[in-house]
Amino acid sequence: ETGVTQSPTHLIKTRGQQVTLRCSSQSGHNTVSWYQQALGQGPQFIFQYYREEENGRGNFPPRFSGLQFPNYSSELNVNALELDDSALYLCASSLRGQGYGYTFGSGTRLTVV
Amino acid sequence: DAKTTQPTSMDCAEGRAANLPCNHSTISGNEYVYWYRQIHSQGPQYIIHGLKNNETNEMASLIITEDRKSSTLILPHATLRDTAVYYCIVREQGGSEKLVFGKGTKLTVNP
Repeated sequence: ETGVTQSPTHLIKTRGQQVTLRCSSQSGHNTVSWYQQALGQGPQFIFQYYREEENGRGNFPPRFSGLQFPNYSSELNVNALELDDSALYLCASSLRGQGYGYTFGSGTRLTVV
Repeated sequence: DAKTTQPTSMDCAEGRAANLPCNHSTISGNEYVYWYRQIHSQGPQYIIHGLKNNETNEMASLIITEDRKSSTLILPHATLRDTAVYYCIVREQGGSEKLVFGKGTKLTVNP
């Protein structure tokens, strides 16, 4: 049983650019959630995808968007990057309705300069 | 906003029990208490969850008060590898599946 894999592990982008982060969910899981974690803070919910559709969104602007693919993997896209977007981006997969079975990846560290 | 309140930091001696408290005074009847931990530079790791009964697994024990307004996570024999930030989260089972994290408790296990 493989866990959640995220790529890349680290990324440096310039303000105004666009970025795509990728996540492969754990085998058997059908739901993917994305979280943003600023330094010294707890993770903040961005959105969740289930059956390839957005299924809940946190307080993030529309320039944060995502996709889920038929194999349940997912992408997080951020347009028009701002300095405050610098953070650790975490992907978590789960089996919908199971409740406790969130498995997190190790995250992508994004630095915007 | 997070529905839980936790101490910012705690220390524990290696080999001793670590007792991490959490207040969730506004918890509703269908909300569970979840505990996750995050070791530096890794994603959060699920530890345990419960509704109203005490729970135990291979990692920890969860003690929930009778009025469900607070709980305690117990690591029975803390090791250096248990040094991490511990998050207490209340979440409705079957509802929105998002996790609302607070700032958690930074537990430092000392040799």
